[in-house]
Amino acid sequence: AQTVTQSQPEMSVQEAETVTLSCTYDTSESNYYLFWYKQPPSRQMILVIRQEAYKQQNATENRFSVNFQKAAKSFSLKISDSQLGDTAMYFCAFIEYNFNKFYFGSGTKLNVKP
Amino acid sequence: EAGVAQSPRYKIIEKRQSVAFWCNPISGHATLYWYQQILGQGPKLLIQFQNNGVVDDSQLPKDRFSAERLKGVDSTLKIQPAKLEDSAVYLCASSSGTYPHNEQFFGPGTRLTVL
Repeated sequence: AQTVTQSQPEMSVQEAETVTLSCTYDTSESNYYLFWYKQPPSRQMILVIRQEAYKQQNATENRFSVNFQKAAKSFSLKISDSQLGDTAMYFCAFIEYNFNKFYFGSGTKLNVKP
Repeated sequence: EAGVAQSPRYKIIEKRQSVAFWCNPISGHATLYWYQQILGQGPKLLIQFQNNGVVDDSQLPKDRFSAERLKGVDSTLKIQPAKLEDSAVYLCASSSGTYPHNEQFFGPGTRLTVL
């Protein structure tokens, strides 16, 4: 069965510093996608970054980048120059290419301190 | 492009009452998802539609929950009768379901409180 594990329930970081959120997953499939979603307090979930499993190059989106280690089934999110607006729950998610079914991790609550 | 719409945004009911939630996905999106998100947890998939057919409802408590997607567009999720443990945010999401645009777009959610 496919699972997504986020081992850090809560993290804190000072504004302008860098923080890394961890995610591991389990699958027997070779084609899949990985996502990081952000859910600010009382606001809706939005996509932060996406990684396709067949691509070796790590995805980047401005201050957000991932470290994708396919063999280790690891998919961490690095947030550089943290801003107060980054305070949110972050969910790692996984989808198999052919099945369109999402699996979410339990989330990491990130608190950016001024 | 309009986003995923959900209503109502908030609902408070007594246990054993019935409640229904509505979702309008992004136009043209074939895949629609309903999730239950209990406070402090990640979203749990309840049901997934592809057009108006059910792809996965393995985690839907079918004795009390039901869902339909009329004409492959709007969807409703119903709980009858509600239990205290149903208190949660119910999220609707949609995706085009085609490579590589299988990103899910989420609605604002409906926060249900069962007293």
